[in-house]
Amino acid sequence: GEDVEQSLFLSVREGDSSVINCTYTDSSSTYLYWYKQEPGAGLQLLTYIFSNMDMKQDQRLTVLLNKKDKHLSLRIADTQTGDSAIYFCAETQSYNTDKLIFGTGTRLQVFP
Amino acid sequence: DAGVTQSPTHLIKTRGQQVTLRCSPKSGHDTVSWYQQALGQGPQFIFQYYEEEERQRGNFPDRFSGHQFPNYSSELNVNALLLGDSALYLCASSRPTGSNTEAFFGQGTRLTVV
Repeated sequence: GEDVEQSLFLSVREGDSSVINCTYTDSSSTYLYWYKQEPGAGLQLLTYIFSNMDMKQDQRLTVLLNKKDKHLSLRIADTQTGDSAIYFCAETQSYNTDKLIFGTGTRLQVFP
Repeated sequence: DAGVTQSPTHLIKTRGQQVTLRCSPKSGHDTVSWYQQALGQGPQFIFQYYEEEERQRGNFPDRFSGHQFPNYSSELNVNALLLGDSALYLCASSRPTGSNTEAFFGQGTRLTVV
């Protein structure tokens, strides 16, 4: 089935690390994605990971994938106030790579 | 490069009316997908157009239809609007072989049905 779940809110202090978690149910997932949505804006692709990888690092962003537990996380190092946004994880499946399946989003609030 | 552009940015319609939303893909992209994002939810896939045909469709009623033009731009039409159709409608463009790792989203059209 298609189901991607995320916690709704995360609040962190500026300069700390943020970890946003996501679980998915479809073991046929191929790519897993993290998108950022700022108020009044569309979706910005932050990073993605192929399902045969465990980790991917891109500057302040680290993606960890635990395929056995179907768990994906996004770590943002040195979180800044500009990181405040809604973060969506999404997946595509091996039999249907055209369609993105999104989670409900995690609202990250960064306070000084 | 203007990226993916959508119009209008905001729209208010009355229940029962019909609406047309427009999307111009990023330069070099020829595949357009439409998503509906209800308030507080993640985007839901409506359908995808490639070579002027609907290639795939999500779980949306026939009231939702689309079109793709020879210049790759696309329209989303919704008939007999319901209050529940109020949402942000997002358009994404990509190349057919690029998959979603190269998909770009527009800013969306905020539709309010009253």
